[in-house]
Amino acid sequence: GAVVSQHPSRVICKSGTSVKIECRSLDFQATTMFWYRQFPKQSLMLMATSNEGSKATYEQGVEKDKFLINHASLTLSTLTVTSAHPEDSSFYICSASDPRDSQETQYFGPGTRLLVL
Amino acid sequence: GENVEQHPSTLSVQEGDSAVIKCTYSDSASNYFPWYKQELGKRPQLIIDIRSNVGEKKDQRIAVTLNKTAKHFSLHITETQPEDSAVYFCASSDSWGKLQFGAGTQVVVTP
Repeated sequence: GAVVSQHPSRVICKSGTSVKIECRSLDFQATTMFWYRQFPKQSLMLMATSNEGSKATYEQGVEKDKFLINHASLTLSTLTVTSAHPEDSSFYICSASDPRDSQETQYFGPGTRLLVL
Repeated sequence: GENVEQHPSTLSVQEGDSAVIKCTYSDSASNYFPWYKQELGKRPQLIIDIRSNVGEKKDQRIAVTLNKTAKHFSLHITETQPEDSAVYFCASSDSWGKLQFGAGTQVVVTP
């Protein structure tokens, strides 16, 4: 299957700072990527859909000014958590669909564990 | 919006026995139903998927069944092994390609 990477794998930051997470499709081009958040022992919750060359679409309840998404190229989407607070501590995972495969199949990155102190 | 319910939340089976996880969905327009396996601290891995034009799909010890009329689908794992222990998530996809996940099932296979 397709390979999706994320960087960093884990990050610790102070409350009030911003953190940027990168999601890359390594061997394919992805016009659409998805960002999820997963709290311990819970399911994956879709935060937003990242569209190359246009604005991201956010799920209900997700603050677009707090979670900035930029999809500037066909292989890179970034999620910036602005003014992070302890309640933002979570596992953030991105996914992408490989157009060479079924458009519906999503491949996940390894995730980024964020801890806000 | 779509709502996916998954049962049971935990499942403990003896090695060699079968495991069955069931999911229901609410949006009749959903047409793609993947299952993911997630080990602790790792990414979800696609293990099998089914599309709405098919009623059953099998891949070695794993099978998925879909009943579109009743809006439910199930994962069947036969001859379970300790390495099958993980959290399993069902999901359904809407026409925009967005996945809605079930709450997950913690499967524990005891030797």
